[in-house]
Order: sequence, then structure tokens, then C-alpha cells
Amino acid sequence: GENVEQHPSTLSVQEGDSAVIKCTYSDSASNYFPWYKQELGKRPQLIIDIRSNVGEKKDQRIAVTLNKTAKHFSLHITETQPEDSAVYFCAATVNDYKLSFGAGTTVTVRA
Amino acid sequence: NAGVTQTPKFRVLKTGQSMTLLCAQDMNHEYMYWYRQDPGMGLRLIHYSVGEGTTAKGEVPDGYNVSRLKKQNFLLGLESAAPSQTSVYFCASSQGPGELFFGEGSRLTVL
Repeated sequence: GENVEQHPSTLSVQEGDSAVIKCTYSDSASNYFPWYKQELGKRPQLIIDIRSNVGEKKDQRIAVTLNKTAKHFSLHITETQPEDSAVYFCAATVNDYKLSFGAGTTVTVRA
Repeated sequence: NAGVTQTPKFRVLKTGQSMTLLCAQDMNHEYMYWYRQDPGMGLRLIHYSVGEGTTAKGEVPDGYNVSRLKKQNFLLGLESAAPSQTSVYFCASSQGPGELFFGEGSRLTVL
């Protein structure tokens, strides 16, 4: 099955700086790569996703890039704010509905 | 709309006891999932269903059973609970490709 590795496991950034989280996947047939955000004590929620026919996607301060050749994808958060503090999970899937998640990155934004 | 609702939210069991977690969704989604979340291990798929009357094993199915007798409900059963099953359990649903909608989670402790 698909194996997703996520780095770093924790990330501390100064408010206003950028944060980057990287994930690698094992199955070259994977074609859908979502990112979920989980605030403390809450449920995971989708924040952005990308499909294998696209190299980059942006939504305001967040962006995701995909390198199919290297089998890795990254989440970029610019101008970080306190409300960006959360656990972020990357995921990958071959068949669109059976997601394999990374272990998560705990992001802390320092004021 | 309530979205995805899980009951109970908290439960403490003794080793060897049995219990059932109930997941209900009101979005008419075809796909439903049960994940467990453990520190440093992300979200791991236990079982999933691609439609009423169907179930399939995920990454970590041992010790769990599921049933999907009605489209809106997905039940997760533990026949003989073990301390290794102490975790936070998330149910999710989706309409095929794309976003998973998660429930609020159920925290289970097995003593």
C-alpha cells in the first residue's frame, strides 16, 4: 500500500514568517494529495488539495507544490498568524477515497 | 445539517469488554471510514465502506469489526478490548473523490 512520510514533526516559526512542510510518497500511481489541518481538540479539516496533473495550487496564504518525478509534495504557509498553530497532515491516494496519511506536523506560531 | 456525528464522545473500558462506536452522517455520502489517531502516528485507516452493505479492511483492521446496514450509519465494534486500542477514533465520510468530512472524534481508554 501507499506509504507517506512527513517532515518535520514539529515546526516553530515567528509570526509573519513562512512555514514549509514536506511529504514523500511511495506509490507512483498516487494521484490525489490533500492537506488537513487539525486544531487542538478539534476534527481534521481539509485546507487545500492538489491532483497529479497540476504542479502548484494556491489559496490565499497557503500553497501546495507537487513534484511527481521525485514523489514529494509540500505545503507552504506565508505570513503566518497565531491561528495557523495546529497539526497539519498530508495524505496521498491512488483511488481518490482510500487516503494514507502522514504522521503530522505540529506548527507553533510565536507571537 | 449536523454533518458527521459520533457517539459516544468518551468511553472507558476494562480489558476484555466489548463496545460499539456509532457514526451517523446526514450528507447522503456513499463512502464512510473509521480512523484511529495516536500520537506521532497520524491517522490510520481501520475499515471503510464504499456503499450500503459493503465493508473493507484498511491498514489496521485487527481487533475491530464494522457494519454498514444503512447508508447513513457506520458502526465500529470492539469485541474484546485491549489496552493497545486506547486511542482517539474518527469517523469520516465522503462522496467519492475529494474531501473527507470528519466527526468530532471518540476518545477510548482501555484499562
